[in-house]
Amino acid sequence: QITLKESGPTLVKPTQTLTLTCTFSGFSLSTSGVGVAWIRQPPGEALEWLALIYWDDDKRYSPSLKSRLTITKDTSKNQVVLTMTNMDPVDTATYYCAHKGAAAGTLYFGYWGQGTLVTVSS
Amino acid sequence: EIVMTQSPATLSVSPGERATLSCRASQSVSSNLAWYQQNPGQAPRLLIYGASTRATGIPARFSGSGSGTEFTLTISSLQSEDFAVYYCQQYNNWPPTFGQGTKVEIK
Repeated sequence: QITLKESGPTLVKPTQTLTLTCTFSGFSLSTSGVGVAWIRQPPGEALEWLALIYWDDDKRYSPSLKSRLTITKDTSKNQVVLTMTNMDPVDTATYYCAHKGAAAGTLYFGYWGQGTLVTVSS
Repeated sequence: EIVMTQSPATLSVSPGERATLSCRASQSVSSNLAWYQQNPGQAPRLLIYGASTRATGIPARFSGSGSGTEFTLTISSLQSEDFAVYYCQQYNNWPPTFGQGTKVEIK
């Protein structure tokens, strides 16, 4: 059974750096083709893909946020970490991590964490 | 980046009726399209991938069709648990992009 869970601060101040951790079980990020993504959703708005890290440490970022994002993995701990610099109130959102399956060309997300709401406010 | 446009924004349907949701891509995404369902306060749930393949455990009343730029999600007979927001997502090109969602509400 695949599960993912996000953790991190619920409140950050403008200009601060956000660090979120996704802890997962039921799969290995050493398995060929597997990836973990971060996706966010501002209150009442649509989903926005942020970043993805593959089993081989290949990393992809949203072009509009690339300069602010870093995604890393710790395979031994079954964790993926996302950092986002220079936080702004418009970054207030629920942040989800999600599992990408091993099959090639399958960049959809079959398993999601429960999400964590991050509010950016002074 | 590919823009995904969903219509309508809100769909009012009576329980037991059929619902048809549309998703249009700004350029061809072949059949690399997924549909998700999201209930309030919950994470999205994968319904359909490959434009027409139901994910594991998804009831047969959900069906997807289309290719290229035009896609449809059909719910054949709406159950109470189906009133939710639905998103399409293309994964043919980087970055993967989502539509703005269609809310299916009780008429």
